[in-house]
Amino acid sequence: SQQGEEDPQALSIQEGENATMNCSYKTSINNLQWYRQNSGRGLVHLILIRSNEREKHSGRLRVTLDTSKKSSSLLITASRAADTASYFCATDDSGANSKLTFGKGITLSVRP
Amino acid sequence: NAGVMQNPRHLVRRRGQEARLRCSPMKGHSHVYWYRQLPEEGLKFMVYLQKENIIDESGMPKERFSAEFPKEGPSILRIQQVVRGDSAAYFCASSPIGGGAVQPQHFGDGTRLSIL
Repeated sequence: SQQGEEDPQALSIQEGENATMNCSYKTSINNLQWYRQNSGRGLVHLILIRSNEREKHSGRLRVTLDTSKKSSSLLITASRAADTASYFCATDDSGANSKLTFGKGITLSVRP
Repeated sequence: NAGVMQNPRHLVRRRGQEARLRCSPMKGHSHVYWYRQLPEEGLKFMVYLQKENIIDESGMPKERFSAEFPKEGPSILRIQQVVRGDSAAYFCASSPIGGGAVQPQHFGDGTRLSIL
């Protein structure tokens, strides 16, 4: 069953702008992770936020988590053309290195 | 340190044939996961294995699909008597022993399976 639901489904912005992507989920989680996928490639792990954390930063990435609303957001600041990719949120229910449940993804296009 | 290696990258089979997909995890990783991705969809979990053990196969169809991760060699996802609906990208991921902390999964570039 689908756990994460991202929105928007597609996002097109100009280089230098910020990109905000949202993810909602249904059940309780141990942690939530964001991944990036370039066309024809595998997923690359971006950032992991645990259920007891509210915000996390990594370089140009900022992730927030609101467990009361069962939602997360990924902010990419000062976007670059190289950020063009699909972005997925994935939830981990148990935190025991078990399976991830992915959303359908957001397609981000950054225009040079 | 090589990443997760999957082969072949592309595999074409006719209906009724068998498909074997291979995955070599990152060095030092003992957890292997298989996911399937249909076009314009997210990844769907299939099976989670540790060396010589299937830990969770709740996402894998009961018939025609099997997976193994032997003591020596790569993990294998095997699909018998393939049908058109098996056409998809199959991704393998690996993670190290947790050591009490959640570890992110590292993905290979996938095997794109096409059924004629």
